[in-house]
Amino acid sequence: AQRVTQPEKLLSVFKGAPVELKCNYSYSGSPELFWYVQYSRQRLQLLLRHISRESIKGFTADLNKGETSFHLKKPFAQEEDSAMYYCVVSGSARQLTFGSGTQLTVLP
Amino acid sequence: NAGVTQTPKFQVLKTGQSMTLQCAQDMNHEYMSWYRQDPGMGLRLIHYSVGAGITDQGEVPNGYNVSRSTTEDFPLRLLSAAPSQTSVYFCASRATGGLNYGYTFGSGTRLTVV
Repeated sequence: AQRVTQPEKLLSVFKGAPVELKCNYSYSGSPELFWYVQYSRQRLQLLLRHISRESIKGFTADLNKGETSFHLKKPFAQEEDSAMYYCVVSGSARQLTFGSGTQLTVLP
Repeated sequence: NAGVTQTPKFQVLKTGQSMTLQCAQDMNHEYMSWYRQDPGMGLRLIHYSVGAGITDQGEVPNGYNVSRSTTEDFPLRLLSAAPSQTSVYFCASRATGGLNYGYTFGSGTRLTVV
């Protein structure tokens, strides 16, 4: 069964500091991985997809198959980055399995 | 472009009552899903559909029913509401072969069962 682990429920950093949100997954096969973000009381939005190797809002995420990790990084955090971040795996039925989420707070 | 529309946004039910959460999308997406969001547990899949007339159970299907008579609509029915079903419910959809573009989510329905 697929599983996604986000070890940090809460993460606080100061504005301008680097931030890394950790994600580890278990999945038998070739996973599709995503990061979704939910700003306060808004709907979930797709932030990143591993297959596109893109940078969105300064965030990047590299899939490390050896460590089964997909950590989300940003070199300089901004206050508007404060949100709930979910690491997500797409399974064999093409449905999504969510991690428990990390609430990021960027302090002024 | 409305995307995924969920109604109602808020609902309070008494234990034992039934109700239907509505979800509609106007993007001609084949895949639709229902999730519930609970603190510390992320989102968990309740039911999903890969097309009109086809539905299947997710991780937490007990106490919920779904149907998919049209491509656009995917209602979620609570048969006999229980306090454990207090949660925020999200509907999501995506196009066939559009996995790499991710799912589009609705704005959610906040349900309280007393």
